[in-house]
Amino acid sequence: KQEVTQIPAALSVPEGENLVLNCSFTDSAIYNLQWFRQDPGKGLTSLLLIQSSQREQTSGRLNASLDKSSGRSTLYIAASQPGDSATYLCAVGDDGGTSYGKLTFGQGTILTVHP
Amino acid sequence: GAVVSQHPSRVICKSGTSVKIECRSLDFQATTMFWYRQFPKQSLMLMATSNEGSKATYEQGVEKDKFLINHASLTLSTLTVTSAHPEDSSFYICSASGQAEGFGQGTRLTVV
Repeated sequence: KQEVTQIPAALSVPEGENLVLNCSFTDSAIYNLQWFRQDPGKGLTSLLLIQSSQREQTSGRLNASLDKSSGRSTLYIAASQPGDSATYLCAVGDDGGTSYGKLTFGQGTILTVHP
Repeated sequence: GAVVSQHPSRVICKSGTSVKIECRSLDFQATTMFWYRQFPKQSLMLMATSNEGSKATYEQGVEKDKFLINHASLTLSTLTVTSAHPEDSSFYICSASGQAEGFGQGTRLTVV
């Protein structure tokens, strides 16, 4: 059974810092890995999707890497801003039929960026 | 991303009553919809997968008679929590997949 772990559980940083969120998974036979953002009381926003054949994806200040063989992924956030404050979820896709199907989520990292 | 609308966003109900949650894909057809549940300080857990026009597939440990899922059209799936109890209080969220993909906004269910 796939298990996804995220470290740290919570992180508080001053504005402007670069930071790294970590995600590890136990079964390397994955189809994809995604990083989501969840704001309080709201749904999920997909930030980056990495297919199993890829090693990284970038979007603006965000960069996600994937090392499938070691079961690890990192989300790098550059020049953090207060608006980045949210819960960040890592999810592994075990179903090749869809990128939103049968996702196994980590417990999330609660990020607080203070001015 | 694609727009998926989930309703209601919050609901409080009395123990023993049933609650229906709707998940709609607004700008695309969704052949498959997924229902997840998130308890406080825990990760999202997949409850069931529903394909349009067929019975839902439930994950181990999820009672199919308690959590009724209907996916009668390509744009709508419903989750009905029957005879709700306080332990069913949770955050329920759907995702839709087909011509596009997206997550709903989630429903905070509180059973009192």
